[in-house]
Amino acid sequence: AQSVTQPDIHITVSEGASLELRCNYSYGATPYLFWYVQSPGQGLQLLLKYFSGDTLVQGIKGFEAEFKRSQSSFNLRKPSVHWSDAAEYFCAVGSRSNDYKLSFGAGTTVTVRA
Amino acid sequence: DSGVTQTPKHLITATGQRVTLRCSPRSGDLSVYWYQQSLDQGLQFLIQYYNGEERAKGNILERFSAQQFPDLHSELNLSSLELGDSALYFCASSPGLGPSSYNEQFFGPGTRLTVL
Repeated sequence: AQSVTQPDIHITVSEGASLELRCNYSYGATPYLFWYVQSPGQGLQLLLKYFSGDTLVQGIKGFEAEFKRSQSSFNLRKPSVHWSDAAEYFCAVGSRSNDYKLSFGAGTTVTVRA
Repeated sequence: DSGVTQTPKHLITATGQRVTLRCSPRSGDLSVYWYQQSLDQGLQFLIQYYNGEERAKGNILERFSAQQFPDLHSELNLSSLELGDSALYFCASSPGLGPSSYNEQFFGPGTRLTVL
């Protein structure tokens, strides 16, 4: 069964500092990987996705993520955080063999301090 | 705005009751997904419909059911409600199925259900 682990429940970062959110997945074949962001009281918005090809993917709002098969990881990064990046971030995995159902990690809450 | 609408935004009801949550997908999207987000379980996939047919099932209780209508809107029915059913219920839609169309699930704002 596919599963996703986000080891960090909560991260606090200063505005302007870099951010890295960790995501590890468990799945035999190549999964489809996603990062979503959820602002308070809002639904989920897709930041970026990986299906195949270049392992470094660029997303919206200045985010990027790198797929590392050897480490079963898909970590999300942003070079310089803005106060508006304070939100909860979810990593998700899907696969063709699992009917494309998304399995989500528990989420990482990001707090941005001035 | 994702283009996915959900009604109602908030729902407060009592244990043992039955409620219906409604979702309208983005224009042209054929797939609808339902998710439950709770503090203890996180974000869990419940069920998926594609063009009116049930496509995939996740951790959906037997007390819960869903359907997708010819106009592609979907309803999630929750019955014999328990305190533990209190959660945020999200609907998402996507264009279709298969790797060529498996690009993004667009999420609605959710319905917050409180069972007292």
